[in-house]
Amino acid sequence: GIQVEQSPPDLILQEGANSTLRCNFSDSVNNLQWFHQNPWGQLINLFYIPSGTKQNGRLSATTVATERYSLLYISSSQTTDSGVYFCAAVIQGAQKLVFGQGTRLTINP
Amino acid sequence: NAGVTQTPKFQVLKTGQSMTLQCAQDMNHEYMSWYRQDPGMGLRLIHYSVGAGITDQGEVPNGYNVSRSTTEDFPLRLLSAAPSQTSVYFCASSYAGASWSGNEQFFGPGTRLTVL
Repeated sequence: GIQVEQSPPDLILQEGANSTLRCNFSDSVNNLQWFHQNPWGQLINLFYIPSGTKQNGRLSATTVATERYSLLYISSSQTTDSGVYFCAAVIQGAQKLVFGQGTRLTINP
Repeated sequence: NAGVTQTPKFQVLKTGQSMTLQCAQDMNHEYMSWYRQDPGMGLRLIHYSVGAGITDQGEVPNGYNVSRSTTEDFPLRLLSAAPSQTSVYFCASSYAGASWSGNEQFFGPGTRLTVL
């Protein structure tokens, strides 16, 4: 089945720094989503981005479907950005969302 | 809209007990699914449903049963709980339309289950 790999596994930054999280996937996809799991365990939808670029405030995401990767950018990090970021993908013809292992982001004040 | 709701939020069971985790959505989504999340890992699919009366197995279905009698509800049953089923369980839903796999999924708040 599809493999979804995220890097780096852990990232520790100071408040105000910028970061880039990467998601590689092994097959063509119909769906690519980014989630933020906050310290309380809630999964927050960040982006639905099977291709192209989207921006939402300090966050933006780009998926290059032909090269099978997606990037999540976080600018001017805040402590509330801490948590685990997951990407998840559905390959064409399949019916399940496959998650990567996540990137744990820690933003220190 | 309440979105996707799950009950209970927390549950402790003894080995061998049975229980049902409830999931409901009020967005008229055809597709619903159950995932489990173990410490330090991403989510893994247990079962899913593309509409009322239709269910199928995901990646880790053993020990779990599901049914889908209405569009709104998708309960997950543990028939005989085992310590290996200690996990956080998430329910999700999405609009299906012509092709489910292309649509955004929305997750409930999760149920934290401990089996002693």
